[in-house]
Amino acid sequence: TQLLEQSPQFLSIQEGENLTVYCNSSSVFSSLQWYRQEPGEGPVLLVTVVTGGEVKKLKRLTFQFGDARKDSSLHITAAQPGDTGLYLCAGSRAGNTPLVFGKGTRLSVIA
Amino acid sequence: SAVISQKPSRDICQRGTSLTIQCQVDSQVTMMFWYRQQPGQSLTLIATANQGSEATYESGFVIDKFPISRPNLTFSTLTVSNMSPEDSSIYLCSVRRANTEAFFGQGTRLTVV
Repeated sequence: TQLLEQSPQFLSIQEGENLTVYCNSSSVFSSLQWYRQEPGEGPVLLVTVVTGGEVKKLKRLTFQFGDARKDSSLHITAAQPGDTGLYLCAGSRAGNTPLVFGKGTRLSVIA
Repeated sequence: SAVISQKPSRDICQRGTSLTIQCQVDSQVTMMFWYRQQPGQSLTLIATANQGSEATYESGFVIDKFPISRPNLTFSTLTVSNMSPEDSSIYLCSVRRANTEAFFGQGTRLTVV
């Protein structure tokens, strides 16, 4: 059972377009994190959202945590080829437990 | 944050042999985690490496195949034993402090021929 459903799995868009990636669960998480991974590297943290309804912005990236802390979204405005990579959402429960990862979204931005 | 050094970064191994992957953290952490990532896929947790006790394995992973050591609070190893081509994957170590984000090593890309 996949506790975190991430969609879409693959996304290929033209430079300048906008996109949204979704991460949904039936479980409540104490926080949710978004990572970006490039080939040959480990995942790198983009943002952590903690409070229900929270919105965080990182340049052209906007992250939102659902009011019930069960879902999250990542919106990229005016995508650039440098945004290409694997985006992973990960849910955290309290304490020092391992993260629960979504299946990932492989984004390709074509110039 | 935490800086994690993982080695080797890649290796090509003969089937039937074993490979030990090392993970060194720049600060003490209670728990370290080992993940496997198939090409183009997300991360699958193999086990949690606990200092001072045996590792805790996830369903589908066993100690005989993936023995783990955790001699101190900054170091862990994962061994992939009796390898087959199906073990070809990226292996990642990760650390996480209570209620914080996770940090990852750069991964070990293993190819079994």
